[in-house]
Amino acid sequence: AQSVAQPEDQVNVAEGNPLTVKCTYSVSGNPYLFWYVQYPNRGLQFLLKYITGDNLVKGSYGFEAEFNKSQTSFHLKKPSALVSDSALYFCAVRSGTNAGKSTFGDGTTLTVKP
Amino acid sequence: NAGVMQNPRHLVRRRGQEARLRCSPMKGHSHVYWYRQLPEEGLKFMVYLQKENIIDESGMPKERFSAEFPKEGPSILRIQQVVRGDSAAYFCASSLTAERGVYEQYFGPGTRLTVT
Repeated sequence: AQSVAQPEDQVNVAEGNPLTVKCTYSVSGNPYLFWYVQYPNRGLQFLLKYITGDNLVKGSYGFEAEFNKSQTSFHLKKPSALVSDSALYFCAVRSGTNAGKSTFGDGTTLTVKP
Repeated sequence: NAGVMQNPRHLVRRRGQEARLRCSPMKGHSHVYWYRQLPEEGLKFMVYLQKENIIDESGMPKERFSAEFPKEGPSILRIQQVVRGDSAAYFCASSLTAERGVYEQYFGPGTRLTVT
């Protein structure tokens, strides 16, 4: 079975400060990891993914994520937060042995205050 | 290049009626996934389909729910005899291919089902 944990329901940061949204996973075999963002009343938008290679992955809107195999984590980061980054963020994992089915975390609401 | 299309965006049904949710994948995508998002909850996988095949329906309730992705036309998620607990946002996603988990999924805007 595969699972994802996003331990924080809410993350609050001030505009201009760095942000981190945490994600840990459990999966059999090699993990394929994804971050998505959801704005109110909208579908999810893809931000970035880790398949293989460099542990630091860069994605859309200045976001990046660091894959840490020993800690089974894939935390989302941004050096300088914007108010417009305020949204719901989902981490997802898919196993190479379970093609197609992604398991999503419960989401973390990011609020960036001016 | 149009994204994933879902219709209707909002659907109201009385208890006992049927709900039909449609999803047209992105052009060139032959893999479709359905997810349900309950209020204040995360996204729960329901079913994964390729054209004319159900690949994984491990997240589908055993009764009243069915899904199809015919050779021609959109994917349909069908809920028979709806109950209030079916009220949720239903999202469809598509991808180029699911083999080896390489490709990300592109999501539609969702259908918000309200059962009265």
